[in-house]
Amino acid sequence: DGGITQSPKYLFRKEGQNVTLSCEQNLNHDAMYWYRQDPGQGLRLIYYSQIVNDFQKGDIAEGYSVSREKKESFPLTVTSAQKNPTAFYLCASSFDGTRATYEQYFGPGTRLTVT
Amino acid sequence: AQKVTQAQTEISVVEKEDVTLDCVYETRDTTYYLFWYKQPPSGELVFLIRRNSFDEQNEISGRYSWNFQKSTSSFNFTITASQVVDSAVYFCALSDQIYNQGGKLIFGQGTELSVKP
Repeated sequence: DGGITQSPKYLFRKEGQNVTLSCEQNLNHDAMYWYRQDPGQGLRLIYYSQIVNDFQKGDIAEGYSVSREKKESFPLTVTSAQKNPTAFYLCASSFDGTRATYEQYFGPGTRLTVT
Repeated sequence: AQKVTQAQTEISVVEKEDVTLDCVYETRDTTYYLFWYKQPPSGELVFLIRRNSFDEQNEISGRYSWNFQKSTSSFNFTITASQVVDSAVYFCALSDQIYNQGGKLIFGQGTELSVKP
C-alpha cells in the first residue's frame, strides 16, 4: 500500500532536548511538507521540500530544522530553540511541488509533548 | 495576500440533517486551486476534493456536494443526510501559482462538525 508513515505516534521529551520526527513516503512524490497543528487551530507550514537536497522555510521555521537526502524521507528536528514545541505534527507529500495543481497527502501525525 | 476563512468554528447537527460548511477565500491570482480535507479524531487529514478556478461546475460525490462561486469567492461543502461517521474537523485550503511557489497550501481554521445520533 502506498502512503506516508510517521513515527512515533506519540513522543515525550524533556525541555532542552532536540527531537527528530520521522516521515517516510512510498508514493514517489517529489514534494514533501511539515505542518504544525495546535489545539483548535488550522495547519501552519514549517518547512517544505520540492526536490531532493533542497528545502525552504515555511511560515514558522524558527526552532526547527529538516533534511532531504532521499526522495522518500523528510525528517524534522525540533530543537531546544523552539519555544513552544508541544503540538501535533503532520507530514505531507504531493506529486509535484512546483505547481499548485496537486493535492497533498498526509501522514497520521506525531503528537509531541515537551515537559 | 492569500487567505481562507471558515467562519463556523463548530457545528452540531442530528443524524440525517443536511449541513453546509462555509469557506471564503482571497487571492490575487487568476489560476488557483481549492481543496477540502477531513480530519477525523485519529488526526490524519483525508483529501476530499480539488477544484480549479476555471471550473465552476458544482460537484457531487455520494452524500457530499461542493458549490464553487467565484463571484462571492466561496467554496462551500454540503453533507446531505449526515451520519455519525461524518463527525470530524473539515478544512478548506487554497493554493495558487504566483504567490504560493512550491505547491504550498493555505488552510482555513477548520470547522468541527459533530453529528449526534
